[in-house]
Amino acid sequence: QKEVEQDPGPLSVPEGAIVSLNCTYSNSAFQYFMWYRQYSRKGPELLMYTYSSGNKEDGRFTAQVDKSSKYISLFIRDSQPSDSATYLCAMSGGGKLIFGQGTELSVKP
Amino acid sequence: EPEVTQTPSHQVTQMGQEVILRCVPISNHLYFYWYRQILGQKVEFLVSFYNNEISEKSEIFDDQFSVERPDGSNFTLKIRSTKLEDSAMYFCASSLRGTRNSYNEQFFGPGTRLTVL
Repeated sequence: QKEVEQDPGPLSVPEGAIVSLNCTYSNSAFQYFMWYRQYSRKGPELLMYTYSSGNKEDGRFTAQVDKSSKYISLFIRDSQPSDSATYLCAMSGGGKLIFGQGTELSVKP
Repeated sequence: EPEVTQTPSHQVTQMGQEVILRCVPISNHLYFYWYRQILGQKVEFLVSFYNNEISEKSEIFDDQFSVERPDGSNFTLKIRSTKLEDSAMYFCASSLRGTRNSYNEQFFGPGTRLTVL
């Protein structure tokens, strides 16, 4: 079983839609859960991080972690064309990051 | 806003040649990392570096790879004899903290695209 699994998409939604992105993981030692955004041929840029289980909201973005199910989510409300990018989940027990495959999102005007 | 920089942005080399990829981490950061991303695949951890020594490395980081902090600002990744399968984007990252059981926000550079012919 892969350490972190993420559906690579691509995912195409109309502007204004609610987007749900998800990852599952197998290593129960992970404590820190991150979502990065990556534009084509650029480095990953941190969007949000969550420690342990729970929710975290930042503007239009909400991150959820369910450690009992080993499942994390990122919700984007009122999606905009500028949100079009690849979204990477990443996890850590401290130290190195383990990334998911990345989900390619396209928000159509 | 401070950022991680990397040079060159694109490096083309012949198989068997040595390459050095350069990174300037954020100035007050103490932990440094290299990751790579083969086209269409995951971002993969290669190595972490702290206090002038490797703190962790992946199985990808074999004897062909080495890292160095030659001065107070640069952090380099050397590949001694490149192979076709080394073609990838190489990302440098840095963080203020990096110990286990503590959160360490890693800031990534824009990457160096390495093409091995």
